[in-house]
Amino acid sequence: GAVVSQHPSWVICKSGTSVKIECRSLDFQATTMFWYRQFPKQSLMLMATSNEGSKATYEQGVEKDKFLINHASLTLSTLTVTSAHPEDSSFYICSAPLWRRVDTGELFFGEGSRLTVL
Amino acid sequence: AQRVTQPEKLLSVFKGAPVELKCNYSYSGSPELFWYVQYSRQRLQLLLRHISRESIKGFTADLNKGETSFHLKKPFAQEEDSAMYYCALGGGRGSRLTFGEGTQLTVNP
Repeated sequence: GAVVSQHPSWVICKSGTSVKIECRSLDFQATTMFWYRQFPKQSLMLMATSNEGSKATYEQGVEKDKFLINHASLTLSTLTVTSAHPEDSSFYICSAPLWRRVDTGELFFGEGSRLTVL
Repeated sequence: AQRVTQPEKLLSVFKGAPVELKCNYSYSGSPELFWYVQYSRQRLQLLLRHISRESIKGFTADLNKGETSFHLKKPFAQEEDSAMYYCALGGGRGSRLTFGEGTQLTVNP
């Protein structure tokens, strides 16, 4: 149990276009999801916390108008990279805790989505 | 501010040798420490958490508040232990984690 799935796994787009990445909890409900960004050979950097039914909480330095997050249901959060530029190319990973074990700190991670902006 | 430091980006040992992956943290409150692992072409997954004081796949980690460390240890490394290991720090409810930069462990035959 506790599977998190992301789609697409990889995407290539032209500069200036918008790209949407989906994160789904397949067998559990997730009121909270976390979006991370990972550059090659670097750590995971938390971008924002997605909250079902309310606005996302963004980390300092992350442009909320650039990275739109929507958490419309208990099993789906989406990250939209708007007007993408080459510097937005990265590996985006979502994760979610089990609601009943939210205090344990265990996160279940998606497989990640690699974005390449030409 | 929360901060996690893993001083070694790469660590290579031979099969059967002991291995220790270092992790130091900075946090003003009561820390919750975790080790996550990512095997080749797989997603990140929890290996162990300090609060459980458990041994998973032969790995253990002890939280040392005096040294602000949470090093991961295994007495006899196996080839299948080769993976990327991330130390992570949480500060309470909500599972908001801060990750270290990771250590790539390679266990040679």
